[in-house]
Amino acid sequence: GENVEQHPSTLSVQEGDSAVIKCTYSDSASNYFPWYKQELGKGPQLIIDIRSNVGEKKDQRIAVTLNKTAKHFSLHITETQPEDSAVYFCAASKGNQGGKLIFGQGTELSVKP
Amino acid sequence: GAGVSQTPSNKVTEKGKYVELRCDPISGHTALYWYRQSLGQGPEFLIYFQGTGAADDSGLPNDRFFAVRPEGSVSTLKIQRTERGDSAVYLCASSFGGVNGYTFGSGTRLTVV
Repeated sequence: GENVEQHPSTLSVQEGDSAVIKCTYSDSASNYFPWYKQELGKGPQLIIDIRSNVGEKKDQRIAVTLNKTAKHFSLHITETQPEDSAVYFCAASKGNQGGKLIFGQGTELSVKP
Repeated sequence: GAGVSQTPSNKVTEKGKYVELRCDPISGHTALYWYRQSLGQGPEFLIYFQGTGAADDSGLPNDRFFAVRPEGSVSTLKIQRTERGDSAVYLCASSFGGVNGYTFGSGTRLTVV
């Protein structure tokens, strides 16, 4: 079945710096790749997603890139702020599996003021 | 309601007892998903419903776990003869079908003592 690997497991940056989190997936049939932010005691919240027919997507300070050939995708956060501190998860899904998501192991991002 | 509601938010039970966890999806969402999140890990898929029927239950770890959605709205995850290893946060998500409008609840933290 699908396997998603996520790196790094922890990431510490200074406020204003950029943060990059990387994921690889194993199943070439996966075609939907969301990123979630999870704060303590809360459920995952979708922050950005990308489909396999697109190579890059941006939303203000957040961008995601997808390399289908290499089967990896990355989250880029620019101008980080302390409120960006949280655990971030990548996930992958196949269109014929009705929305079942396979998650990475998570990255704990700490933004130091 | 405005979001996915899960009750209780916390549940402590003794080893060997039976527990039920409830999920109220967003109104109009036809698909409902259960995930389990162990400490420091990404959510793991358990089961997904499309309407009243379980479309994919491949993630249920064993026959002590069962879920129902009798009227195509509220779902209950049932765990029999609980074990300490069942301790985790159980997350519910709902969507319009597939990944459209996919939204997670805040989860139920289950502790088996």
